[in-house]
Amino acid sequence: QSALTQPASVSGSPGQSITISCTGTSSDVGGYNYVSWYQQHPGKAPKLMIFDVSNRPSGVSDRFSGSKSGNTASLTISGLQAEDEADYYCSSYTSSSSVVFGGGTKVTVL
Amino acid sequence: QLQLQESGPGLVKPSETLSLTCSVSGGSISGSIYYWGWIRQPPGKGLEWIGSVFYTGSTYYNPSLKSRVTILADTPKNQFSLQLTSVTAADTAVYYCARHRRYGAGILDYFDPWGQGTLVTVSS
Repeated sequence: QSALTQPASVSGSPGQSITISCTGTSSDVGGYNYVSWYQQHPGKAPKLMIFDVSNRPSGVSDRFSGSKSGNTASLTISGLQAEDEADYYCSSYTSSSSVVFGGGTKVTVL
Repeated sequence: QLQLQESGPGLVKPSETLSLTCSVSGGSISGSIYYWGWIRQPPGKGLEWIGSVFYTGSTYYNPSLKSRVTILADTPKNQFSLQLTSVTAADTAVYYCARHRRYGAGILDYFDPWGQGTLVTVSS
């Protein structure tokens, strides 16, 4: 199975909105609504930010939102803050009853 | 509050077997809606799912690692474990354990929460 495709880096100024894409195939992202997003600060474990394409766990800021169109899922961070600077990974269930992650996107707050 | 903690040797020799345990506190691994998974992250690289186990022993593995991986559940100890055989330097990584949400038969969803991770280095 191939990793999902994410941009290596995305940047934005404080207060702006940014969007991270996650592109797969009809066998993973496009075929199921089991896409999740994780935030990882340096030296820390990943943290769940979005599950099932667009659902936020309790405690996650509503500045984070998720969506999907075809084979591409997206994570949008609105009102960008310094604390949002981190690596972000998408993940999807696949038709072979497995899980695949994206390569990760480094978000920089300018 | 559910917590997971990885434990095991931090150094493994090439060709040997990597063995890790994940201890779960604040909840039971014997629930019907969760698998329990292992994910790894080589230094400076991305995340890779290794596999997940249900409390009954049912497992799902990453096809690329399946021939070398065994994940077991130990319900009396509320733990689950990972064994990876014939390791090479490419298996050097931070290994995380996490609770893995399931839906129906074989549908694997998100990981939450995660353990803090443990670095395993493969070197002679």
